[in-house]
Amino acid sequence: QKEVEQDPGPLSVPEGAIVSLNCTYSNSAFQYFMWYRQYSRKGPELLMYTYSSGNKEDGRFTAQVDKSSKYISLFIRDSQPSDSATYLCAMSGGSNYKLTFGKGTLLTVNP
Amino acid sequence: DTEVTQTPKHLVMGMTNKKSLKCEQHMGHRAMYWYKQKAKKPPELMFVYSYEKLSINESVPSRFSPECPNSSLLNLHLHALQPEDSALYLCASSQQQAYNEQFFGPGTRLTVL
Repeated sequence: QKEVEQDPGPLSVPEGAIVSLNCTYSNSAFQYFMWYRQYSRKGPELLMYTYSSGNKEDGRFTAQVDKSSKYISLFIRDSQPSDSATYLCAMSGGSNYKLTFGKGTLLTVNP
Repeated sequence: DTEVTQTPKHLVMGMTNKKSLKCEQHMGHRAMYWYKQKAKKPPELMFVYSYEKLSINESVPSRFSPECPNSSLLNLHLHALQPEDSALYLCASSQQQAYNEQFFGPGTRLTVL
């Protein structure tokens, strides 16, 4: 079992839709959870950073962490064509602060 | 200012060339990272510098040589690369190595002929 599982998609939605992106993980030591957005041929951009369980909201983006289920989500409300990108989950914790990434989900928002 | 800059944006080099990638941040971060990213894959950690000292080397071949001249700068020296080393090379920084909130630069797209 891989440490972090993320459905690579691709995921295609119409403009205005609510998008749900998810990752599951197996390492119970993970405590820090991040979502990055990466446009084609660019560097990853940090979107959301959360510690332990709970929700965090920033504009149209909401990150949820459920440590009991080892499951994290990113919701995008009122999706826009400019949200079209690859979304990477990343997590770390314990004595090793190295980030472990999911494979990324390719999202396309159609006008 | 949450910006990490990288130069050059693109680099094409032959297998016998020597070149360097540069990274700079002015956020006062004390940890800096080099990652390698192949197409449709997540970034893979190569090196970590913490307080200007090499902290982690992920068993990277010696043809890649990192250098941290000061707390704001990070270089990656390249020599005798192979075509399979062609990739996007990303620099990142965080407040400290223990701080997981890493900010990435735009990357250098390297092609080895």
